[in-house]
Amino acid sequence: GQQVMQIPQYQHVQEGEDFTTYCNSSTTLSNIQWYKQRPGGHPVFLIQLVKSGEVKKQKRLTFQFGEAKKNSSLHITATQTTDVGTYFCAGNAGNNRKLIWGLGTSLGVNP
Amino acid sequence: DTGVSQDPRHKITKRGQNVTFRCDPISEHNRLYWYRQTLGQGPEFLTYFQNEAQLEKSRLLSDRFSAERPKGSFSTLEIQRTEQGDSAMYLCASSYEPWTGGYEQYFGPGTRLTVT
Repeated sequence: GQQVMQIPQYQHVQEGEDFTTYCNSSTTLSNIQWYKQRPGGHPVFLIQLVKSGEVKKQKRLTFQFGEAKKNSSLHITATQTTDVGTYFCAGNAGNNRKLIWGLGTSLGVNP
Repeated sequence: DTGVSQDPRHKITKRGQNVTFRCDPISEHNRLYWYRQTLGQGPEFLTYFQNEAQLEKSRLLSDRFSAERPKGSFSTLEIQRTEQGDSAMYLCASSYEPWTGGYEQYFGPGTRLTVT
């Protein structure tokens, strides 16, 4: 079946270091979405990418969608303690209305 | 508060009992999703509605699970004869989506179910 893999599963960084999580799909995606879930909270939408090779930025966060629309990445520059949480990618494949979710990357930031 | 709300926030029940959860989506949203999430895992799709129509149900979902959205507004998720393996966070999300394209989903705070 369709799968979305995320790596790494966990990462701890020192505050100020950069962080990247990668998302790889077994099938071509029509879009990719990124969500953040704080400990004890619920997923919160961050961004959606639709176009091949698309890059979007939100302050210290940079999101990329691969040329083949099968992979994506989220890069955080100069992490802060407020970045702590689990980052999920999720995408639609074809006309399927159901989002396929990755297992998430849990980020810890040491002050 | 105009966000997605869920009730109850916590539910402890004994194995074999039935439980029902409610989700109130953002009012103008036509799509409503139910997910289940366990610790360290991503949201696992259960079912979704377009207005009042249930369009897809996960093959992983047993017949003990049923969901309704009778008037295209709030939704209920019922689990009959609960089992310990049903213990999880049950998340509801809503979105406004036309027939094509994908749009962001807004999640409620979830209902944490513990089956003893």
